[in-house]
Amino acid sequence: EIVLTQSPGTLSLSPGERATLSCRASPSVTRSHLAWYQQKLGQAPRLLLYATSTRAAGIPLRFSGSGSGTDFTLTISRLEPEDFAVYYCLRYDISDVYTFGGGTKVEVK
Amino acid sequence: QVQLQESGPGLVTPSETLSLTCAVSGESISSRNWWTWVRQSPGEGLQWIGEIIQTGTTTYNPSLKSRVTISVDEARNQFSLTLRSVTAADTAVYYCTRVKAGCSTASCYFDPWGQGRLVTVSS
Repeated sequence: EIVLTQSPGTLSLSPGERATLSCRASPSVTRSHLAWYQQKLGQAPRLLLYATSTRAAGIPLRFSGSGSGTDFTLTISRLEPEDFAVYYCLRYDISDVYTFGGGTKVEVK
Repeated sequence: QVQLQESGPGLVTPSETLSLTCAVSGESISSRNWWTWVRQSPGEGLQWIGEIIQTGTTTYNPSLKSRVTISVDEARNQFSLTLRSVTAADTAVYYCTRVKAGCSTASCYFDPWGQGRLVTVSS
């Protein structure tokens, strides 16, 4: 079974703090086939990063991605008020299946 | 700039068929993109439903494959989703999106997205 497990489920932080979100893949996934999304309440997901670490157009430098194989990380260097949202990772497999992680909610502490 | 807009009934009766359309503007649906449907149940995460390219080739989520059909209408520059035999578990916001030029060895992601269409399954 293809799974993406995101942790923690909820991250309580203050503006200005660093956020580190984890996405664990089983089985492993190619770096080029791992993306990250931000979703705010009532809105469609917004592409943040693709190919693990490439920022989408207009995405601020404070968002960065890293990882390979089974462990991937989204880092927000200094949280801005607009960054409090739910974040999802997405994988593509050569069996032509896409799978989302369960999401991490970043909330104001 | 590519824009996607979902439309269709917001209420479907259990055991009936859900039908949604995604109108594409700013790009020809006959381009080499994969046009995709994703859904999100209330308070839940995201689930990929399936995708289509203008040739008519489709791929579906194995968990939904027996009930799903995705089709493309080049004349209207839109694509559609049909989900048969719906139950309350199919209540969700349905999004249409795109995989630009399909998944390559370099990248694979959904972008842009429509605003979403809430479909409630209830009698």
